[in-house]
Amino acid sequence: EIVLTQSPGTLSLSPGERATLSCRASQSVRSNYLAWYQHSPGQAPRLLIYGVYSRATAIPDRFTGSGSGTDFTLTISRLEPEDFAVYYCQQYGDSPFTFGQGTKVEIK
Amino acid sequence: EVHLVQSGGGLVQPGGSLRLSCVASGFRFSSHVLNWVRQAPGKGLVWVSSVSGEDGSTFYADSVKGRFSISRDNSANTLYLQMNRLRADDTALYYCTKGLLTFPLSTSWGPGTLVTVSS
Repeated sequence: EIVLTQSPGTLSLSPGERATLSCRASQSVRSNYLAWYQHSPGQAPRLLIYGVYSRATAIPDRFTGSGSGTDFTLTISRLEPEDFAVYYCQQYGDSPFTFGQGTKVEIK
Repeated sequence: EVHLVQSGGGLVQPGGSLRLSCVASGFRFSSHVLNWVRQAPGKGLVWVSSVSGEDGSTFYADSVKGRFSISRDNSANTLYLQMNRLRADDTALYYCTKGLLTFPLSTSWGPGTLVTVSS
């Protein structure tokens, strides 16, 4: 089983600041099958990024995915009020298709 | 537009059974893998199970293997999760999600249905 470890657990930032979220895998993620999701309170999660780099439909370009192998990053260039949420990475290359434990981005 | 309408949650005693359903619309149902993802109260997202669109191959998390069964009815655009021998740690909000062709990520999510296992 591939274990995904996200850091930090909580990120305290102000609107307009840059957020950098990390996702580290216990072994290489096959074919870079790595996705990022945003989960806001009271809503269903939303796909942001898949295949490490590709933005999902209607996702603004302030969200950028990068990385390869075992180290992946989600960058939010300038935080908007609606971006304060919990973010999860998921690998979908090998079953079980595991999620990380999440990073909460909170308002400082 | 993709719509996923979930039903079947509720309160069940430990050891009991429950079947979740998810009726889909807005896409070619048989072409895409479908998934169940759950979130226990105050916890993170956990992948539970996936079923492929074409050959019906199934995949399970170790925590539910042998107790849960995923299936799909392509003629009715419906996904199911049969949950047997339920335990307290199965208590969670269960999401039905649509994959991307053969890729078991979650491109669209249902609203979730709550399963509570308690005596």
